[in-house]
Amino acid sequence: EGQLVESGGGLVQPGGSLRLSCTASGFTLSSYWMSWVRQAPGKGLEWVANIKQDGSEKNYVDSVRGRFTISRDNAKNSLSLQMNSLRAEDTAVYYCARWGYSSGQYYLDYWGQGTLVTVSS
Amino acid sequence: QTVVTQEPSFSVSPGGTVTLTCGLSSGSVSTSYHPSWYQQTPGQTPRTLIYSINVRSSGVPDRFSGSILGNKAALTITGAQADDESDYYCVLYMGSGIWVFGGGTKLTVL
Repeated sequence: EGQLVESGGGLVQPGGSLRLSCTASGFTLSSYWMSWVRQAPGKGLEWVANIKQDGSEKNYVDSVRGRFTISRDNAKNSLSLQMNSLRAEDTAVYYCARWGYSSGQYYLDYWGQGTLVTVSS
Repeated sequence: QTVVTQEPSFSVSPGGTVTLTCGLSSGSVSTSYHPSWYQQTPGQTPRTLIYSINVRSSGVPDRFSGSILGNKAALTITGAQADDESDYYCVLYMGSGIWVFGGGTKLTVL
């Protein structure tokens, strides 16, 4: 049974930086695409970024491109999200999630419990 | 930019049937978009319900089913129960590595 545990959330001032981490257990991280998904208070889910199994491909939602960087360390079974130039609108619970693959279809099959990032002065 | 559309809210009576949809502001949903469905109750982590159009994730009751209806992906709950009252989200693949969630449907069972 796979498990994802996020850490690194907290309160940060606008313009500041924060690094989120996600540790995977129960499965081999290197076999899966991984994503960060966020949810602002009282709002819906928003896909933020994903990264290919070997880290060779990374994709971002327009609102974070150039400010956030997703990375992975397969040897440590960990995923990270470096967030720079943070804005109030980045305030959200950030989930680490795994992309499963079955019958030619991708879907999010495991989710972490989330870590709260608050951007405020 | 293509928007993923969902009904903002829906209401169903206990024991009733409801169909939630996931569409595109332009175009038709197909397997090329890898549609999947997630359930979330307030304060909880999202739970995977349906993938590959109509495959239930492990442990999901068979009252939940997925399909393509017309030009949209659909999630049907047959025999709704009180604990189905949740937010439901779909996510679609837009190509070039980009995924987009719908705005979610708040389902009320009353």
